[in-house]
Amino acid sequence: EDQVTQSPEALRLQEGESSSLNCSYTVSGLRGLFWYRQDPGKGPEFLFTLYSAGEEKEKERLKATLTKKESFLHITAPKPEDSATYLCAVPPRTGGGNKLTFGTGTQLKVEL
Amino acid sequence: DTGVSQDPRHKITKRGQNVTFRCDPISEHNRLYWYRQTLGQGPEFLTYFQNEAQLEKSRLLSDRFSAERPKGSFSTLEIQRTEQGDSAMYLCASSLARDTTYEQYFGPGTRLTVT
Repeated sequence: EDQVTQSPEALRLQEGESSSLNCSYTVSGLRGLFWYRQDPGKGPEFLFTLYSAGEEKEKERLKATLTKKESFLHITAPKPEDSATYLCAVPPRTGGGNKLTFGTGTQLKVEL
Repeated sequence: DTGVSQDPRHKITKRGQNVTFRCDPISEHNRLYWYRQTLGQGPEFLTYFQNEAQLEKSRLLSDRFSAERPKGSFSTLEIQRTEQGDSAMYLCASSLARDTTYEQYFGPGTRLTVT
């Protein structure tokens, strides 16, 4: 069964203190890895899709990277508004439909 | 607003009652998904539709749960004889199956509380 593990479970940063979140997966023949942001009481908001090792994508203070075994979400000079839970997810190796298997997320809090 | 919408946003019900949730996907999206999320966990897949056909159901989806997507547009998720363990956030997502683009876009969710 596909597994996705995220670490750390929770992270507290000071404003401007850069860090990285990790997402490791066991799916072979990866067909994509997705990053989402989720604010309390809301649905996940799509951030990035990565398809192949070495690929990188950026959006404002966020940069996602992918290797053959894991993905990192780098947060550069975070602001309090970056506080949220960050989820990663993968589709199954085979089959259609693209149902996603999610990790449990990293809860990020950025303080002034 | 062209995003995914869900109704109601919150539902409180007594154990044993039936509840129904609605999801309206992004208009041009042909795939629609239902997920369930409990506190501290990531969303868990329940079922998905391509157009009006229900193509996959998770083993999490007991016989008390039924989902429909008539005419391939909006979808409903019904839970019969609710139990306290059904309390969760129910999320709907949609996507457009095209080439290798699979991004799913989520709605705001329906928070169900069973008392």
